[in-house]
Amino acid sequence: GQNIDQPTEMTATEGAIVQINCTYQTSGFNGLFWYQQHAGEAPTFLSYNVLDGLEEKGRFSSFLSRSKGYSYLLLKELQMKDSASYLCAVRDSNYQLIWGAGTKLIIKP
Amino acid sequence: IAGITQAPTSQILAAGRRMTLRCTQDMRHNAMYWYRQDLGLGLRLIHYSNTAGTTGKGEVPDGYSVSRANTDDFPLTLASAVPSQTSVYFCASSGERESGANVLTFGAGSRLTVL
Repeated sequence: GQNIDQPTEMTATEGAIVQINCTYQTSGFNGLFWYQQHAGEAPTFLSYNVLDGLEEKGRFSSFLSRSKGYSYLLLKELQMKDSASYLCAVRDSNYQLIWGAGTKLIIKP
Repeated sequence: IAGITQAPTSQILAAGRRMTLRCTQDMRHNAMYWYRQDLGLGLRLIHYSNTAGTTGKGEVPDGYSVSRANTDDFPLTLASAVPSQTSVYFCASSGERESGANVLTFGAGSRLTVL
C-alpha cells in the first residue's frame, strides 16, 4: 500500500529553527509537495520538489531524497504565525496525490 | 470572486437527507477535485474532473456524486447523507505553475455534520 508518514505534532520556540520530516512509500514518484494549513482554513501551497536536493524560499526550505523516500521542511526564524499544520503529499505514478495526515506545529513565545 | 468559492460554509444535516455542496472557481483551471478531511487522516480524494464534461472516482467515492457541466462549477452531492459523512469538505483546482508542478488551490472548506 501507499503510505506517507510525518510526526503528529511538534513544538518549537519563536525565533528558532524546526525541521518537519516526511517519509513515503508510494507506487512511483512524480513530485513531493508541502502545504501549510492554519486551523479552520484551507491548505495553501508552500513548496514542490521533484529532484533531489534543497529548494529554498525565504524562511522555508524543502529537501528531497528520492532514494531514501524522504523529505523535510525546514522553517527558520520561527514566528507565531507559523503555528499551523504542515501537510506532505506525494504524486504517484498515476499522478494521484497521496497525503500525509499532517504535522501540527505549535510555536511558543 | 477570487480563486475558489465553496458554499455552504457549514451545515448540519439529518441522516437520509440529500445535500449538494457547491464549488465555483474563476481561474479557468481545467482540473477540479473534491477532498474530505478527517481528524488524524490525510486528505482523501472523493471525485475529480480533469476537464469540463468528464469526472472520475477517487479513493472514497461511495455515497457521493459529482457533475462538471462547465469549467467553473463542480458540485458535490450526497444523495442520502449518513453520519460517517460528517467531515470537512474541500474543493480544489489545479493549474500549472513553476517547475511543472500541478499545484492545488483550495476553497475555504465546507464543514458538514450529519446527525
